[in-house]
Amino acid sequence: DAGVIQSPRHEVTEMGQEVTLRCKPISGHDYLFWYRQTMMRGLELLIYFNNNVPIDDSGMPEDRFSAKMPNASFSTLKIQPSEPRDSAVYFCASSLRPGQGFYEQYFGPGTRLTVT
Amino acid sequence: GEDVEQSLFLSVREGDSSVINCTYTDSSSTYLYWYKQEPGAGLQLLTYIFSNMDMKQDQRLTVLLNKKDKHLSLRIADTQTGDSAIYFCAGVSNTDKLIFGTGTRLQVFP
Repeated sequence: DAGVIQSPRHEVTEMGQEVTLRCKPISGHDYLFWYRQTMMRGLELLIYFNNNVPIDDSGMPEDRFSAKMPNASFSTLKIQPSEPRDSAVYFCASSLRPGQGFYEQYFGPGTRLTVT
Repeated sequence: GEDVEQSLFLSVREGDSSVINCTYTDSSSTYLYWYKQEPGAGLQLLTYIFSNMDMKQDQRLTVLLNKKDKHLSLRIADTQTGDSAIYFCAGVSNTDKLIFGTGTRLQVFP
């Protein structure tokens, strides 16, 4: 398997523009996670899905952020409108259903977003 | 909720041992984990320990768990420049989410 695939790897956009980040999880994985990483706040869980259904979106910063998972092999994270403070590295991760309390998440390479 | 704390930086000389420490608040996690993030990449599971164990050794890696003090550590023997990365400890919250620590940036110098 190619692992978790994210696109684009880098995105530079102007404040106010819409940004869409894409993720293809590992085939067969039940869970998909979106994280954001910044120097100031570290690694933050934004939202996660189980079998394409959003389970917990309590980490989504505000209404400008939305995430969808239309099928088991694709998810998007959209920011509209974008702001400079959204600049960060966004990671997608996927995992199988935890077995006997064991969790292993597989991370994609990340999308580095810069909003000017 | 779960809170996981780590020191931010560690600098060691090549060939020395590195010890990265982590403290956590919620002891309900069945396993505790160490993830490694190399520059420009996502996190990758490095090793883990079952909560009923005190120690786990895996080649150059030794994980120590002190449940009484809620303290987890990762020791890397014979540290190499390729070990330079950010190391995250993680536990599982009571809502089944992986909770990551703040990450420790390990820098190895020759």
